[in-house]
Amino acid sequence: AQSVTQLDSHVSVSEGTPVLLRCNYSSSYSPSLFWYVQHPNKGLQLLLKYTSAATLVKGINGFEAEFKKSETSFHLTKPSAHMSDAAEYFCALRDDKIIFGKGTRLHILP
Amino acid sequence: GAGVSQSPSNKVTEKGKDVELRCDPISGHTALYWYRQSLGQGLEFLIYFQGNSAPDKSGLPSDRFSAERTGGSVSTLTIQRTQQEDSAVYLCASSLPGRGYGYTFGSGTRLTVV
Repeated sequence: AQSVTQLDSHVSVSEGTPVLLRCNYSSSYSPSLFWYVQHPNKGLQLLLKYTSAATLVKGINGFEAEFKKSETSFHLTKPSAHMSDAAEYFCALRDDKIIFGKGTRLHILP
Repeated sequence: GAGVSQSPSNKVTEKGKDVELRCDPISGHTALYWYRQSLGQGLEFLIYFQGNSAPDKSGLPSDRFSAERTGGSVSTLTIQRTQQEDSAVYLCASSLPGRGYGYTFGSGTRLTVV
């Protein structure tokens, strides 16, 4: 069965330091993987997606993610956090429908 | 339209009443999905429509929940005899078919059952 596990429910980083949000997946075939962001009281916005092309995927707002098949991971990174990055982030895998992880809330410390 | 439109944005209803939530997907998106997001919880899949195929209703939590999609476009999610545990944000998304496509989400309907 397909599944997505986000390893941290909360992550706190200082402004200007790197961000790492971890995601592992389980899939019986080559998956399509996504990261979404949800700011408070807003809908979900697609950050980036992996669909079996380049393993390093660049998204909006300086985020990127690397698909590692050997580790079944799709971690989200950003070199330097900004206060506006504070939000909830969802890793997701698509079969006929998208399966979401439980989310990671990113806190940015001034 | 340019995006996925949901209405109403907020709904307060009394326990036991029926509610209808509407979703207007992006034109040309044949796939439409409903998810529920409860406070502090993740995204719970409810139902999925793809073109003229029978919908995947496997996520509906009880028979009080139903959804239809008319003319392959607008969808309505109906909750009968609402309960307090139905309070949540109901999100609609649409997509082109195929695993390579992400969803475009609407802003959601915040349902509060009092």
